[in-house]
Amino acid sequence: DSGVTQTPKHLITATGQRVTLRCSPRSGDLSVYWYQQSLDQGLQFLIQYYNGEERAKGNILERFSAQQFPDLHSELNLSSLELGDSALYFCASSVAGGVVDGYTFGSGTRLTVV
Amino acid sequence: AQSVTQLGSHVSVSEGALVLLRCNYSSSVPPYLFWYVQYPNQGLQLLLKYTSAATLVKGINGFEAEFKKSETSFHLTKPSAHMSDAAEYFCAVSVPRGGATNKLIFGTGTLLAVQP
Repeated sequence: DSGVTQTPKHLITATGQRVTLRCSPRSGDLSVYWYQQSLDQGLQFLIQYYNGEERAKGNILERFSAQQFPDLHSELNLSSLELGDSALYFCASSVAGGVVDGYTFGSGTRLTVV
Repeated sequence: AQSVTQLGSHVSVSEGALVLLRCNYSSSVPPYLFWYVQYPNQGLQLLLKYTSAATLVKGINGFEAEFKKSETSFHLTKPSAHMSDAAEYFCAVSVPRGGATNKLIFGTGTLLAVQP
């Protein structure tokens, strides 16, 4: 157990729908990162939050949004889902920027869009 | 922009043989470099990291990596492969930007198969 908790583990939904993925960071970590892993795109950085504020943005689609709450958990919202959004979504956390210690990853949420 | 290139998407070795997984980085400033391992149906686990101290870095499970600035490389090695090493391995680069702003850029991964 890495200490980073992601729910749900699996999600199957239809095209056009909206889903919310949840992440609880490791105790004491202030930064949360979201990554998308797919066979064709590999591991793609989506977004970083630090203590409730957005700090870095990657290849995140406009249909996707995220936030970090006062208790430091984070949610990734995916809307108007397309078949191509099917992927593993990972959350990671770090104490601050994670530059020195790296990130601690959760076990991921596997999203299947049918 | 920072990036990493992993040569060889699939590597197969025999049990007991040397493991060598290649990673080259591109960065305009001194980078921090990481190797992560991903076992099937699991998240990524940190193997080792280079953060500008010793150039030879030892990690978990007998793995080590050497930072070579002249070659812009950070190859991962293990003297003797075990069946349990079969997994996907990712090299990543991070550049400190100050404050708490950061992102890790991952390579495309190398799938290691270990043959009995």
